[in-house]
Order: sequence, then structure tokens, then C-alpha cells
Amino acid sequence: SQTIHQWPATLVQPVGSPLSLECTVEGTSNPNLYWYRQAAGRGLQLLFYSVGIGQISSEVPQNLSASRPQDRQFILSSKKLLLSDSGFYLCAWSVLGRGYTFGSGTRLTVV
Amino acid sequence: KQEVTQIPAALSVPEGENLVLNCSFTDSAIYNLQWFRQDPGKGLTSLLLIQSSQREQTSGRLNASLDKSSGRSTLYIAASQPGDSATYLCAVREGGTGFQKLVFGTGTRLLVSP
Repeated sequence: SQTIHQWPATLVQPVGSPLSLECTVEGTSNPNLYWYRQAAGRGLQLLFYSVGIGQISSEVPQNLSASRPQDRQFILSSKKLLLSDSGFYLCAWSVLGRGYTFGSGTRLTVV
Repeated sequence: KQEVTQIPAALSVPEGENLVLNCSFTDSAIYNLQWFRQDPGKGLTSLLLIQSSQREQTSGRLNASLDKSSGRSTLYIAASQPGDSATYLCAVREGGTGFQKLVFGTGTRLLVSP
């Protein structure tokens, strides 16, 4: 069966510290992978998507970056966190003809 | 630019009621439409996926319809239960060539009281 793992579940980081959130998918090959952010009281915003290894597209300019070192691994990073990076980060995957499947999310609080 | 709107923003009903959540989108050239449920502090759980060629999908007490030409979808929940309390999100996958983005509505927050 297809599953998606996202960790950590919660994270509290000081301003200026680095960030690394990881997402892995099981049970499918060559999925499209996505990072979304959900700020408090706001909708879901697409940050990055990837259609293959090493292929990353950014939807909005920001303090974050993404990488896809393996087919089913997607990493969200930052060198120096800002207060405005706080939010709920969701990883998702999809394949042609199927809907999106989301991970359980990471609650990031930058202090 | 595709825009997705959900009405109402919040809904409070007593247990047992049948209810309808509405979703509208501005560009009818969609690939599919997906309804999700989100519990507080949790990820999104997919409820129903309707392809652009379909009119409706059913799963248990849930029924989702799609009228692509008018840019509307409804999620019907029969015999609501307190466990149905959550935020319901509608999302359309854009059509056309190239990358097809999933565009979300702002959600309907549902509270079902015992």
C-alpha cells in the first residue's frame, strides 16, 4: 500500500537557525511531490513541487529551499529561519490520474 | 487564475442532520476535484476524488457532485455525527498542459453537536 511519512511532527526553532524537514513516500514510483504551508487562519499555499529526482520548482519567493535526492524523498530546508516561516508544513504526493495524498504535517514554530 | 470559494465558512448543526457544503471555482477547465477533511492540527485526509468526466462520487455517508460547466461541486453528508466535526476543504486540479496545480478553497469548518 502507498504511504507517506513526514517528520518531525512538531518543531520549535530559534530565529536564524537552520531547518530540515523530511518526507518519504512508499508504495509508488516516480510520484510528483509537493510541499505546502498552512499559516494560522489561512489556506494552503504551494511552496515547491517536484516531478522527478533533482527537479524542483518554486511557486513563491521565500526563505526556503527544497531538494529531492531520491525518487521518493523530498526535503524542505532553510539556512536561517525567520519568524514568518512559522506554520504548518504538509508534504504530499500524486501520480497521474490519482488524487493527492498528504502527510500528517509538521508544526513549525520559530521563536 | 483559478480561484476556489467555499460556502459557508462555518456550519454548526445538531447530530443527525443532513447537510451540504458548497464549492465553486472560476475556471471550468479542471482535471479533477478532490474533497479533503482536516482535523485540528492534523494533515489532510482525502474523502472523495471526482474526475472531470464524472458527475458524482459516493463513499459511505458522503456524496460529492461535480457540475464542471457551472463551476460547482457539493459535498453531501448524510445523518451527520459528532465525529464528522472537522474542516472540509475542496481542491481543484487545474487542467491544460504542463504542471497542473492543485488549488484549494479556504474550507468550511463543521461542528456537529451531540
